[in-house]
Amino acid sequence: SQKIEQNSEALNIQEGKTATLTCNYTNYSPAYLQWYRQDPGRGPVFLLLIRENEKEKRKERLKVTFDTTLKQSLFHITASQPADSATYLCALDAPGYSSASKIIFGSGTRLSIRP
Amino acid sequence: SQTIHQWPATLVQPVGSPLSLECTVEGTSNPNLYWYRQAAGRGLQLLFYSVGIGQISSEVPQNLSASRPQDRQFILSSKKLLLSDSGFYLCAWSVGSHSGNTIYFGEGSWLTVV
Repeated sequence: SQKIEQNSEALNIQEGKTATLTCNYTNYSPAYLQWYRQDPGRGPVFLLLIRENEKEKRKERLKVTFDTTLKQSLFHITASQPADSATYLCALDAPGYSSASKIIFGSGTRLSIRP
Repeated sequence: SQTIHQWPATLVQPVGSPLSLECTVEGTSNPNLYWYRQAAGRGLQLLFYSVGIGQISSEVPQNLSASRPQDRQFILSSKKLLLSDSGFYLCAWSVGSHSGNTIYFGEGSWLTVV
């Protein structure tokens, strides 16, 4: 079955540095991959989606890369701020009733930015 | 704009009691609907998803069930709760397409089984 791994449960970095989170997947070739942010006690919120034919996607201080050969996505936050502290989840689509109906999530990486 | 609501927000239930969590979506039609569970400090586990009325796919064998009686209503139920059913339950919706299937989550329901 499809498996998603986020290799760090927690990541602590200094404010102003770039945070890099990793997501690896196996046993599937997703058409796209997504990143979400989750704050404590809240549901995840969508951040970015990158398609299999895209190498990189940017949104403000966020950057996502997608390497379908390595089966890996990297999520970068540049000029990190304490407000960026949260859990970040990657997600991919998996076969279901239709090609875009089932989304599975990784276990997440808890990012802490210290002042 | 689209909105999603789920309730109740918090509940404490004894082992063996029934459960009903309800979720409704407004502002869209024929959405994909999902129930996820998140145990304390853990990732999101997909429990059920539905692409239409009466069409439910179960992802994990368990004592839970889901129903979709109307296009924008999704209900999670159990006849007899177990201690292991405790967790944070999230309803979500999406409008599937081959260019992307972004998930939008509700506020969540905290279930404690005692």
